Amino acid sequence: DGGITQSPKYLFRKEGQNVTLSCEQNLNHDAMYWYRQDPGQGLRLIYYSQIVNDFQKGDIAEGYSVSREKKESFPLTVTSAQKNPTAFYLCASTRSWTNKETQYFGPGTRLLVL
Amino acid sequence: AQSVTQLGSHVSVSEGALVLLRCNYSSSVPPYLFWYVQYPNQGLQLLLKYTSAATLVKGINGFEAEFKKSETSFHLTKPSAHMSDAAEYFCAVSDLTVGGKLIFGQGTELSVKP
Repeated sequence: DGGITQSPKYLFRKEGQNVTLSCEQNLNHDAMYWYRQDPGQGLRLIYYSQIVNDFQKGDIAEGYSVSREKKESFPLTVTSAQKNPTAFYLCASTRSWTNKETQYFGPGTRLLVL
Repeated sequence: AQSVTQLGSHVSVSEGALVLLRCNYSSSVPPYLFWYVQYPNQGLQLLLKYTSAATLVKGINGFEAEFKKSETSFHLTKPSAHMSDAAEYFCAVSDLTVGGKLIFGQGTELSVKP
């Protein structure tokens, strides 16, 4: 079955540590997205990539970095510069980057700070 | 700028009662609108979407939504609530300045009482 996988399900970060969240899709989708979800705040866009080897900052990119070296993969690194990283992180993809497209979501990664 | 407002962060209904979740949007041009559902600690799943065809849109699990341009609304309804409908629901509008990007409302948590 096609879909989006995210790993790990739970991730613990120590102070000053960089951590990387994995997002893989086998839907052959061109565009991929990373969202951060905090209680009562909906979803906020961190980064997005419309094609391989290209990505753009979203609304809350500070303290995060991404890469898009392969079509199926879009890892997110939470750097030590992100002072409040505790949240639920969701990866999504769309077949193309036109406005009618449905976003398909992965199961999410919950990041906690030790 | 486009935006989405969901009225009521928490809605509680009895099993078998009507479900009504409210969503109002702001857009200078005809929008593309989406409703997603999220169960605890999971990703988002598409319920239905409006892409300028029929104004009454039917989705999965017995949900439907009606696009009303005069009221700038896209409310989600279900005639008879089931216990399994308890979840968080998000309304979203396509960001016309960034292909594929969605702007989400803050979510409405639906509780279903037996």
